[in-house]
Amino acid sequence: DGGITQSPKYLFRKEGQNVTLSCEQNLNHDAMYWYRQDPGQGLRLIYYSQIVNDFQKGDIAEGYSVSREKKESFPLTVTSAQKNPTAFYLCATDGAMNQPQHFGDGTRLSIL
Amino acid sequence: AQSVTQLDSQVPVFEEAPVELRCNYSSSVSVYLFWYVQYPNQGLQLLLKYLSGSTLVKGINGFEAEFNKSQTSFHLRKPSVHISDTAEYFCAVSDVNFNKFYFGSGTKLNVKP
Repeated sequence: DGGITQSPKYLFRKEGQNVTLSCEQNLNHDAMYWYRQDPGQGLRLIYYSQIVNDFQKGDIAEGYSVSREKKESFPLTVTSAQKNPTAFYLCATDGAMNQPQHFGDGTRLSIL
Repeated sequence: AQSVTQLDSQVPVFEEAPVELRCNYSSSVSVYLFWYVQYPNQGLQLLLKYLSGSTLVKGINGFEAEFNKSQTSFHLRKPSVHISDTAEYFCAVSDVNFNKFYFGSGTKLNVKP
């Protein structure tokens, strides 16, 4: 069954710690995206990747890093430089221009 | 750059009543338009999309939306809502030249019995 898998569903971070959120897809889509969702603010783009080994900063990239070593995988690292990391993180993919984005079920990150 | 405005952050409505969720956008280029629904602690699911052609678009779960180019709007409607429609709804636009999405801030639809 094709889809996007985000793990873990819930994640807790200690002060000064880096954490990595996983996003895996088997839709054979070229483009992958990471969004941050905060209450009342909609979705804000963190990073996106159109092809393997290439990615671009979105609107709120500070304090985050990504890699795209495989087409299927686009992990997001929330670094200690991100001072307000508590949010719901969504990974999305799309296959071509004019096609809608497909979303994973999200990871909720909280601070201990 | 594009922007999307959802004027209503919350919309309460009684079951079986009609509902309209408003979405306005601004863009200097042609856009594609989408509505998504999000249930608690889940990702976004596509309700419907407008790419071209007929300005009235029908989607899943009985929802429809109408593209109005002169008013730069893409309002979502349903003639009779159910309790199960309680969720948050997001309007989104993407530039036809570059597949970057812009999302509205969301509208929480609360259907009461």
